[in-house]
Amino acid sequence: DAGITQSPRHKVTETGTPVTLRCHQTENHRYMYWYRQDPGHGLRLIHYSYGVKDTDKGEVSDGYSVSRSKTEDFLLTLESATSSQTSVYFCAIAGTLNTGELFFGEGSRLTVL
Amino acid sequence: AQSVTQLDSHVSVSEGTPVLLRCNYSSSYSPSLFWYVQHPNKGLQLLLKYTSAATLVKGINGFEAEFKKSETSFHLTKPSAHMSDAAEYFCVVSYNAGNNRKLIWGLGTSLAVNP
Repeated sequence: DAGITQSPRHKVTETGTPVTLRCHQTENHRYMYWYRQDPGHGLRLIHYSYGVKDTDKGEVSDGYSVSRSKTEDFLLTLESATSSQTSVYFCAIAGTLNTGELFFGEGSRLTVL
Repeated sequence: AQSVTQLDSHVSVSEGTPVLLRCNYSSSYSPSLFWYVQHPNKGLQLLLKYTSAATLVKGINGFEAEFKKSETSFHLTKPSAHMSDAAEYFCVVSYNAGNNRKLIWGLGTSLAVNP
């Protein structure tokens, strides 16, 4: 299995509080992604990174920010969580763009009350 | 425009019978196509991929898929379902876009396997 660790795996928080999810990889892969998964919507890309300090927005980036200060860590921050951000968040990594193959973490379930 | 349509949101089969999960795509480019599987409360795992080599692609756990350009389809099949195949399956189209590789995800097909 690809070395991807997401933390926390489960979190319950209140509306308006900041939340940070961490994705840590041991594969030295260049590309890292944050997705959210919701019933009826499949997987939607929030942000991605194509190198240290190089990030870009995905299709549902509003309300989220990311940072990547080193190769192995990609942080997703909700500055002020809302109930609409209740979801399961998946981190994914890729070593190359040639094939489009991604390796996924096991997900972080976030509940915003 | 690129798009993916999984034609069935739920499929139910009996153990030992064939599995067919249908996927149609639309792409202006020569696409790469994938099937991912997600078991309950788990992350996603690559099942198989098509990247312009052989049109019949074999994956893990006895699954295979055939790329049919004329029909713009990439259906997933397995001759004999096993209880452990019960999961969510996602069809994905992939193409290069600048400094990223775009992935277009289908909405998923939930496969139930009955004893």
